Amino acid sequence: QKEVEQNSGPLSVPEGAIASLNCTYSDRGSQSFFWYRQYSGKSPELIMSIYSNGDKEDGRFTAQLNKASQYVSLLIRDSQPSDSATYLCAVWVNRDDKIIFGKGTRLHILP
Amino acid sequence: DAGVIQSPRHEVTEMGQEVTLRCKPISGHNSLFWYRQTMMRGLELLIYFNNNVPIDDSGMPEDRFSAKMPNASFSTLKIQPSEPRDSAVYFCASSFSGFTYEQYFGPGTRLTVT
Repeated sequence: QKEVEQNSGPLSVPEGAIASLNCTYSDRGSQSFFWYRQYSGKSPELIMSIYSNGDKEDGRFTAQLNKASQYVSLLIRDSQPSDSATYLCAVWVNRDDKIIFGKGTRLHILP
Repeated sequence: DAGVIQSPRHEVTEMGQEVTLRCKPISGHNSLFWYRQTMMRGLELLIYFNNNVPIDDSGMPEDRFSAKMPNASFSTLKIQPSEPRDSAVYFCASSFSGFTYEQYFGPGTRLTVT
């Protein structure tokens, strides 16, 4: 069973702090990893992609991938109220040519 | 550039009726994906196309669902006959196939079957 697991939250973080979102996946054949942000009533929006072990930074966002431990995380520095949304982790299993989304973590930034 | 375009944005229909959802992918993208999102099940991949060819339809719930992509700029998802449990938000997404597979989502169609 190929699964992508996320804590559903809500995760409450004070404004200005670092928000840490985690995702684990079960299939070792996974090679491409994505983080999407979804505001209530809107469509998912791609914010980060990562393909190799280590960190990838883009502005206030850092994605971290550890294939040996089968987890991927997203850090949001200097959290803003506008970061309040649901964050979806997605994993593309190249071997099966299939993408699997986690159910998402609701993030709430406290002003 | 225009993003992924979906129509209609909202659809309310009665059980047993046929429903057709439409999608225009981003120009130049050659992969297209149909998803369904509900509170209970989250975001589920229904089917995806690469170069207009269906690659994986294992997520299509049953024979009442069908999808076509007659050309690179248009796809439809049809439900016939519709049932109340089909009520959900249906998203279309597109990408340029290759190693990245970064997908861009349309605004979605909110379907309500009464």
